[in-house]
Amino acid sequence: EIVLTQSPATLSLSPGETAALSCRASQSVNTYLAWYQQKPGLSPRLLIYDASHRATGVPARFSGSGSGTDFTLTITSLEPEDFAVYYCQHRANGLTFGGGTKVE
Amino acid sequence: QITLKESGPSRVKPTQTLTLTCTFSGFALTARPVGVGWIRQPPGEALEWLGFIYWDDDKRYSPSLRSRLTITKDTSKNQVVLTMTNMDPVDTGTYYCARRLPYDGDWGSGYFDFWGQGTLVTVSS
Repeated sequence: EIVLTQSPATLSLSPGETAALSCRASQSVNTYLAWYQQKPGLSPRLLIYDASHRATGVPARFSGSGSGTDFTLTITSLEPEDFAVYYCQHRANGLTFGGGTKVE
Repeated sequence: QITLKESGPSRVKPTQTLTLTCTFSGFALTARPVGVGWIRQPPGEALEWLGFIYWDDDKRYSPSLRSRLTITKDTSKNQVVLTMTNMDPVDTGTYYCARRLPYDGDWGSGYFDFWGQGTLVTVSS
């Protein structure tokens, strides 16, 4: 099973700042990686799939990069509604989620 | 507009079988490459994929839970049903159904583009 490790566990930032979230895979997942946003009490929302493709309706301030084992979700100019937990998920040889990063 | 909604018991006893229903609208589980998946989330913890069912009745399960899971569909009702046997307190959590982002291939995996609101299941005697 491929393990996804997200860091940091918590990221403390202010509105207007840029967030960089990391997801590292225990073995290569090519570009088969997605990012989700989850707010308290709500279901996850797909932001990015296949490492860098924004899902429908996702603002351009969300961008994904990386390949192989190292991936980054960047949120430029944080809006108040961006403070949430973010999960990465791979689809290479199975499917697992990372442990999440809380942006506060 | 695509929507999904989970329904079922909020509480089950240890060793009992859990049955949850996902009722969806806005898409049909009758054409390639449509699929619906189940995901769960223990309180305060990360997400865990459980399984998929596809338009052609192909099913894929998480290797760690395969022996306890069954997923079926009723296309006439736009419903997918998850059954999990031998429930334990560690199975407590919110259970979600979600549409698999439609694309061909890699049927044992995928992404989730539309999610239900989730249903909290507590396993306790």
